[in-house]
Amino acid sequence: DVKVTQSSRYLVKRTGEKVFLECVQDMDHENMFWYRQDPGLGLRLIYFSYDVKMKEKGDIPEGYSVSREKKERFSLILESASTNQTSMYLCASSGGGALTYEQYFGPGTRLTVT
Amino acid sequence: AQSVTQLDSQVPVFEEAPVELRCNYSSSVSVYLFWYVQYPNQGLQLLLKYLSGSTLVESINGFEAEFNKSQTSFHLRKPSVHISDTAEYFCAVSDRGSGNTGKLIFGQGTTLQVKP
Repeated sequence: DVKVTQSSRYLVKRTGEKVFLECVQDMDHENMFWYRQDPGLGLRLIYFSYDVKMKEKGDIPEGYSVSREKKERFSLILESASTNQTSMYLCASSGGGALTYEQYFGPGTRLTVT
Repeated sequence: AQSVTQLDSQVPVFEEAPVELRCNYSSSVSVYLFWYVQYPNQGLQLLLKYLSGSTLVESINGFEAEFNKSQTSFHLRKPSVHISDTAEYFCAVSDRGSGNTGKLIFGQGTTLQVKP
């Protein structure tokens, strides 16, 4: 069974703080993704990575950065948290070949910025 | 750019009634199609997928979806729903224009509310 874990289920931070969201997958997947989920907007891709140290911007990268130093771990960083970054954050991973597009999701981190 | 449209934001239905959740996509290239389900306070789980072959795909819990290339649709159906099917459902299409990176484009989601 593929397992994607996220470091926190709930997180409360203050405006201006630097926030780290961690994601770990245990299936040796090449691809990893960070999304934010907001009511009525579905899932929007923030960043993704298709290899260690490789990253690409998604649809809404502003205010975020990422790090992938090891294959199993993909971190999302909010450099200076703002209230409009209050959201549910979902991490996902997928393998290669025929499984490239089959994404597996973590449980999500609900972040509140006050 | 590719897009996915889920035509209903909420679908209320009584238990044991049939249901259809609609999904249309825009793409000029071959696509892979997915339905994901999200139960309250959980992440997304893959419900079913179309990669190739038979245009009718089924899940283990009674859902099915049919790939219709001419209408660019991938509607999700179940002949008889249960209370436990109450969840949010997301349709997704592969973003083949981004190279083989595994990117998916998601619809806005449809909340299925099953009433007793």
